[in-house]
Amino acid sequence: IAGITQAPTSQILAAGRRMTLRCTQDMRHNAMYWYRQDLGLGLRLIHYSNTAGTTGKGEVPDGYSVSRANTDDFPLTLASAVPSQTSVYFCASSDLPSGYNEQFFGPGTRLTVL
Amino acid sequence: GDSVTQMEGPVTLSEEAFLTINCTYTATGYPSLFWYVQYPGEGLQLLLKATKADDKGSNKGFEATYRKETTSFHLEKGSVQVSDSAVYFCALKSGGSYIPTFGRGTSLIVHP
Repeated sequence: IAGITQAPTSQILAAGRRMTLRCTQDMRHNAMYWYRQDLGLGLRLIHYSNTAGTTGKGEVPDGYSVSRANTDDFPLTLASAVPSQTSVYFCASSDLPSGYNEQFFGPGTRLTVL
Repeated sequence: GDSVTQMEGPVTLSEEAFLTINCTYTATGYPSLFWYVQYPGEGLQLLLKATKADDKGSNKGFEATYRKETTSFHLEKGSVQVSDSAVYFCALKSGGSYIPTFGRGTSLIVHP
């Protein structure tokens, strides 16, 4: 069982370019999440999805968009990358609706915007 | 709203020392509480959890007890190893919310 896979593992991107970070889970979890992790700031939620076809904004959604066409995939798109989007990005999933359920995290994508 | 406060790191210990990482929270209702661990270069993974007051979560020698009266969920381990060096995150999830609340994380460094 792979759990959650993310691609690419790392990427260097020129400012202004469009980029899609991919996330796929094989656990059939209803909920999926995108976080960014920056030194000293912990994890910050970008967008989330409670079920296929629905998405919601997190704490820092500006400059990012997501879609949830099916249960397994939850891509994150940067329409026009800026240097402040340099970060490590983690995708996560969770089974719903119980509040008892923990999140499962992918290995992360390290993105550098120059 | 919900919030989680963790002690700031880094916490630096010698091997076999006793570990405590403090975590306190504010939440409406009765949240579930979690500790996640992040090893270098990896994503977070669940270490332990507790879903109601006085529950004790335990895993890999780590323990934490859900203390409703002090709104705390401190992480402890009796004898740390070098391999325990990682960042530890305390988190809560209220029953009515799909979104967990994380603390800022505490870095643990264990020296041989």
